[in-house]
Amino acid sequence: DTGVSQDPRHKITKRGQNVTFRCDPISEHNRLYWYRQTLGQGPEFLTYFQNEAQLEKSRLLSDRFSAERPKGSFSTLEIQRTEQGDSAMYLCASSSGPGQGGGELFFGEGSRLTVL
Amino acid sequence: QKEVEQNSGPLSVPEGAIASLNCTYSDRGSQSFFWYRQYSGKSPELIMFIYSNGDKEDGRFTAQLNKASQYVSLLIRDSQPSDSATYLCAVKVWSFKTIFGAGTRLFVKA
Repeated sequence: DTGVSQDPRHKITKRGQNVTFRCDPISEHNRLYWYRQTLGQGPEFLTYFQNEAQLEKSRLLSDRFSAERPKGSFSTLEIQRTEQGDSAMYLCASSSGPGQGGGELFFGEGSRLTVL
Repeated sequence: QKEVEQNSGPLSVPEGAIASLNCTYSDRGSQSFFWYRQYSGKSPELIMFIYSNGDKEDGRFTAQLNKASQYVSLLIRDSQPSDSATYLCAVKVWSFKTIFGAGTRLFVKA
C-alpha cells in the first residue's frame, strides 16, 4: 500500500496524559500536513512541512502541540497534557511539490483521539 | 470573516437532479481551488481542482471559478444516492497552505 498511513487509528487517553501520532506520507511527496477535524466541521489546518522544515504553524495551535518530521520522511504530532477539547480526528495529508495542480492533498485514514 | 465559507446545508435533491454547491473565499492571492468529498467516518478525497476562471468539467462534475467575485462552485449532474456526502471546498493560499471550508452536506433522495 503506497498511500498515507497513520498510527494509531484510535487513541483513548485520560486528561493530562501525553499522546503521539505518527504519519507516513506517500514516499515521493515532499509536503506533509496535519489537520484536526471535529464533528460537523471541515479540516482545520495545524501545521505543514516541506521536507524536514516546518514552514507554517497555525496560530490556534497551543504550545502543548508539537510536530516533527525528521529526515523529511515520517512525521509525528505530539500533544502534551491533553485536554477534553483536544478530542478530535487528527488527519495527516501529503502532496507533491509546487504547481497549481500539484496541491492535491492525499489524506490518511486519520487518528481519532478521545480524551476522558 | 472565515477564510473559506460554505453553506452547511443539508442540501437535499432528488435522484437525477442537479446539485449545486457554493463556496466563497477571502484571500485574493489564492492560487488553486479544490472540491473534496467526505463520506461519514472517512477521510476527504479529491473530486476536482480548478485554477483558472471559468468552468472545468469532469464526468458528472463541473467546477466553476470566478476570481473577481472570489466564488467557486461545484455542480453535480444526474445526482445519485451514492453522491450523498459532505463536500468540502478547499483553497490553496499563497503560502501553499490549504484551507478548508466547513463543508456542505448533500443528501440525494432515491
